[in-house]
Amino acid sequence: EPEVTQTPSHQVTQMGQEVILRCVPISNHLYFYWYRQILGQKVEFLVSFYNNEISEKSEIFDDQFSVERPDGSNFTLKIRSTKLEDSAMYFCASSEWGFSGNTIYFGEGSWLTVV
Amino acid sequence: SQQGEEDPQALSIQEGENATMNCSYKTSINNLQWYRQNSGRGLVHLILIRSNEREKHSGRLRVTLDTSKKSSSLLITASRAADTASYFCATDSSSGYSTLTFGKGTMLLVSP
Repeated sequence: EPEVTQTPSHQVTQMGQEVILRCVPISNHLYFYWYRQILGQKVEFLVSFYNNEISEKSEIFDDQFSVERPDGSNFTLKIRSTKLEDSAMYFCASSEWGFSGNTIYFGEGSWLTVV
Repeated sequence: SQQGEEDPQALSIQEGENATMNCSYKTSINNLQWYRQNSGRGLVHLILIRSNEREKHSGRLRVTLDTSKKSSSLLITASRAADTASYFCATDSSSGYSTLTFGKGTMLLVSP
């Protein structure tokens, strides 16, 4: 079964450093997402992406965050200058379409620890 | 407003028993999805139920949706130790896009 893959699975970074999390969405999917889950808290939406543009973003997704589809398969989340509170599990997800009712498939996540 | 609040927060049962988890939400939805998350792992999609559906089955899973009460339930029948995980309901955006809002989840422990 096709799946969303994410790298790295774990990353520890110093506060203030830039981090890039990578994702390979399911190949025929057109909508891509990033969500995050701070330990013990809800999974929260960060951003959705379609046709090389951000479709929606949450209040969490401030200027420190950016997303990019650098080639035909990868989808990346960049955090420019990490803060302690950015420590979380970051999930990439994809769906065939972006409209309500489409199943969203999630990757295994990337644990980010900012020290 | 908070969407997708599950209860109970934690549920402990024996193998073979049924597990029922509930989810309530506050605003109108188009669809509701249930996901499972094994400890520290990714979110696995279980089932999607549309607002015009009342009940849906998938293997040992049964999901109901009551839009008048703004609630949904997930029933796992004949539970197994491998069902031990956190279960989340997620509602979509009323804007019509598929952005999901998750609840805090129910942690299910199935003992052998």
